[in-house]
Amino acid sequence: RKEVEQDPGPFNVPEGATVAFNCTYSNSASQSFFWYRQDCRKEPKLLMSVYSSGNEDGRFTAQLNRASQYISLLIRDSKLSDSATYLCVVIDPSGTYKYIFGTGTRLKVLA
Amino acid sequence: EAQVTQNPRYLITVTGKKLTVTCSQNMNHEYMSWYRQDPGLGLRQIYYSMNVEVTDKGDVPEGYKVSRKEKRNFPLILESPSPNQTSLYFCASSLFPGGSGTDTQYFGPGTRLTVL
Repeated sequence: RKEVEQDPGPFNVPEGATVAFNCTYSNSASQSFFWYRQDCRKEPKLLMSVYSSGNEDGRFTAQLNRASQYISLLIRDSKLSDSATYLCVVIDPSGTYKYIFGTGTRLKVLA
Repeated sequence: EAQVTQNPRYLITVTGKKLTVTCSQNMNHEYMSWYRQDPGLGLRQIYYSMNVEVTDKGDVPEGYKVSRKEKRNFPLILESPSPNQTSLYFCASSLFPGGSGTDTQYFGPGTRLTVL
């Protein structure tokens, strides 16, 4: 089993739709989780951290489910500019400070 | 402007010809890291550094070297490049290695390397 797994997509959704991505992680001791956004051929950029209680930033909501070992990202009222690849990131909990990236979920928002 | 710079941005080379990709950050960050990104495999960490003179292997360190003689610089060295090292490389830095909601990794613009 991969350490961090994501559905590669693509998710094709109309403007204004709500879309959700999940990301599963294998190490139950993991504590730190992030969502990054990557535009085609560009560098990844932090979208949001994921807190235990869940957190929201505008149209974006991130949640953590420790029991099932997954994190989720919900995007409401999708915009054309949301089209990108969304990367799930987990920090290795063994103290090595390694960042483990998922392969990403590609989102295309259609006009 | 806070940034991570990488050079060169594009490089085509031949097997066995030593090369160095430079990385520099101006944010006084402790943590720096190198990744390679390949289709279907995502971003994989090559090496990382917690501070000056402290470096550790990531998941795919074979064929690469790094050094951290100064806080701001973290060059990636390919002593004898091979075609399987053709990839998109990113350097990144953060104040501390993850865990804080206010701490983020800042990525450089990427270096597209082709080894013939």
